[in-house]
Amino acid sequence: SYELTQPPSVSVSPGQTASITCSGDKLGEKFTSWYHQKPGQSPVLVIYQDDKRPSGIPERFSGSNSGNTATLTISGTQPMDEADYYCQAWDSSAGGVFGTGTKVTVL
Amino acid sequence: EVHLVQSGAEVKKPGESLKISCKGSGFLFSTYWIAWIRQMPGKGLEYMGIIYPGDSDARYSPSFQGQVTISADTSISTVYLQWRSLKASDTAIYYCARRKDLLEFDPWGQGTLVTVSS
Repeated sequence: SYELTQPPSVSVSPGQTASITCSGDKLGEKFTSWYHQKPGQSPVLVIYQDDKRPSGIPERFSGSNSGNTATLTISGTQPMDEADYYCQAWDSSAGGVFGTGTKVTVL
Repeated sequence: EVHLVQSGAEVKKPGESLKISCKGSGFLFSTYWIAWIRQMPGKGLEYMGIIYPGDSDARYSPSFQGQVTISADTSISTVYLQWRSLKASDTAIYYCARRKDLLEFDPWGQGTLVTVSS
């Protein structure tokens, strides 16, 4: 089965840059999406097609994908960005695969 | 505006059956794949399966094949997730989400909490 691996946690100071990685076999050959989920809320799409932002998502969110690793970058991180973040890709046999999730803490 | 609205929280006993729902609005429901995703308490997101309401083509993650049934009723723009015999390990929040053209999920429903306890 296809698996996506993320670091369990990332800490960042307000105003600094947070980078969250997502690793999977030949992930660069698939479209990767990213979601954030705040406590008690549903996940929200923040990046799709590797590096596209849906309307309403701030410009500080950006993405890239190459080789076996996709990366979500939050520039100028704000306290409101504290959440769990999940990557997601599509596998022909497993369907929609989610990453293991990363808790972003803004200290 | 595009919305997915899910049915309310459920409390069931092991062995009971259950069907929860997800109603779409603001888009042509029959032409988008709708997925179900599980989130067990304190855990991450798990993809369960997906259905194309236009022809009720349902596909399941290998982990959930045979454990649940996904169905749809286009006349009321609703998809369902069904269990024949619940287990305590089915306790979780279940989300529905629309899959868009580039395989991303957007938007998501508000989630349905299912609690299975004797």
